[in-house]
Amino acid sequence: AQSVTQPDIHITVSEGASLELRCNYSYGATPYLFWYVQSPGQGLQLLLKYFSGDTLVQGIKGFEAEFKRSQSSFNLRKPSVHWSDAAEYFCAVLDSNYQLIWGAGTKLIIKP
Amino acid sequence: EPEVTQTPSHQVTQMGQEVILRCVPISNHLYFYWYRQILGQKVEFLVSFYNNEISEKSEIFDDQFSVERPDGSNFTLKIRSTKLEDSAMYFCASKDSPSYEQYFGPGTRLTVT
Repeated sequence: AQSVTQPDIHITVSEGASLELRCNYSYGATPYLFWYVQSPGQGLQLLLKYFSGDTLVQGIKGFEAEFKRSQSSFNLRKPSVHWSDAAEYFCAVLDSNYQLIWGAGTKLIIKP
Repeated sequence: EPEVTQTPSHQVTQMGQEVILRCVPISNHLYFYWYRQILGQKVEFLVSFYNNEISEKSEIFDDQFSVERPDGSNFTLKIRSTKLEDSAMYFCASKDSPSYEQYFGPGTRLTVT
């Protein structure tokens, strides 16, 4: 069965520091992968997606993610975080029925 | 930019009562979804809807749940007899065809007391 693992429940980084959030997936075929962000009290906003082609994808708000098939990973990165990036981040994979299978989320805390 | 909207933003109801959560998907979208997120837990798929019928549903989507597209714009989730464990954030999503990207609404927080 398809699954998504986000091994870090929460991560704390200093404002201006770089960020990497980990995501590993389990899926037999070529995966369609997504990162969503959920700010406190808000809905789910799509940051970026990977369907095919270039394995480094650029998203909104300065985020990028790299698809690594050999590691079954799709880690999210940002070179310099801002206080407004504090939120919960969800990785998801589209299954064979076109349903999203979600990771448990990583809560990002920004230190001033 | 078009967006998915959901009403109400927060619904408080007593156990055993019926609730209807409303969603207005993006106007040219054809596929509609409901997900839920119990506080502190993963987002979970409930149901997908296409061409006026359910395409897929999860084990969570039992007989107390139903979905409807009563007109050309609304997409509703009804819970017939709410239980305490139905307390969650419910997200509606829609997508067009053949896009794989689902667009989410802001969610309705349901609190069952």
